[in-house]
Amino acid sequence: AQSVTQLDSHVSVSEGTPVLLRCNYSSSYSPSLFWYVQHPNKGLQLLLKYTSAATLVKGINGFEAEFKKSETSFHLTKPSAHMSDAAEYFCVVSEGAAGNKLTFGGGTRVLVKP
Amino acid sequence: NAGVTQTPKFQVLKTGQSMTLQCAQDMNHNSMYWYRQDPGMGLRLIYYSASEGTTDKGEVPNGYNVSRLNKREFSLRLESAAPSQTSVYFCASSRTGQVASGIQPQHFGDGTRLSIL
Repeated sequence: AQSVTQLDSHVSVSEGTPVLLRCNYSSSYSPSLFWYVQHPNKGLQLLLKYTSAATLVKGINGFEAEFKKSETSFHLTKPSAHMSDAAEYFCVVSEGAAGNKLTFGGGTRVLVKP
Repeated sequence: NAGVTQTPKFQVLKTGQSMTLQCAQDMNHNSMYWYRQDPGMGLRLIYYSASEGTTDKGEVPNGYNVSRLNKREFSLRLESAAPSQTSVYFCASSRTGQVASGIQPQHFGDGTRLSIL
């Protein structure tokens, strides 16, 4: 069975400082991992995905994530936060080729202070 | 680009009423999904349809039914709404199966905010 734990429910950063969102996963197989972002009253938008090609994955809007199998982690980072990064972020795991079923973490809400 | 369209965007129901949430996608995807989102719990899968003509239960199917009307449309029905079904409902779609780049990401609609009194 697969599961995802996002270690922080809320993160507060100042504009222009780095952002780190932590995610640990559990999977019986080689997982596919995703980060999604959700802005208020909107659906989820894909930031990036890991599918075993490279351990450092670059996404949209300057975000990147590093897959560490030994630590079962997939942390999301951005070197310099922007006000528009204020949103909720979800780490997601999928290990099922059939049905493409996803398991979501509980989410991390990011606040960006000016 | 429409992507995934959900209707209605907001709805208030009384306990015991029925309602159907509509979802349509224009990306020619085979797979479609219904999720509910509750605070602190991420999204939980209610039902999914891997292809036209098939549906399967997800993590939290009780109290819901679905219909895959055609390749584009996937509806979610609450037969007798309960306060515990107050939530934000998301529909998503994706290509099916693994390709060289791995499992295909899902594309989400903007959600239906449902309150049951």
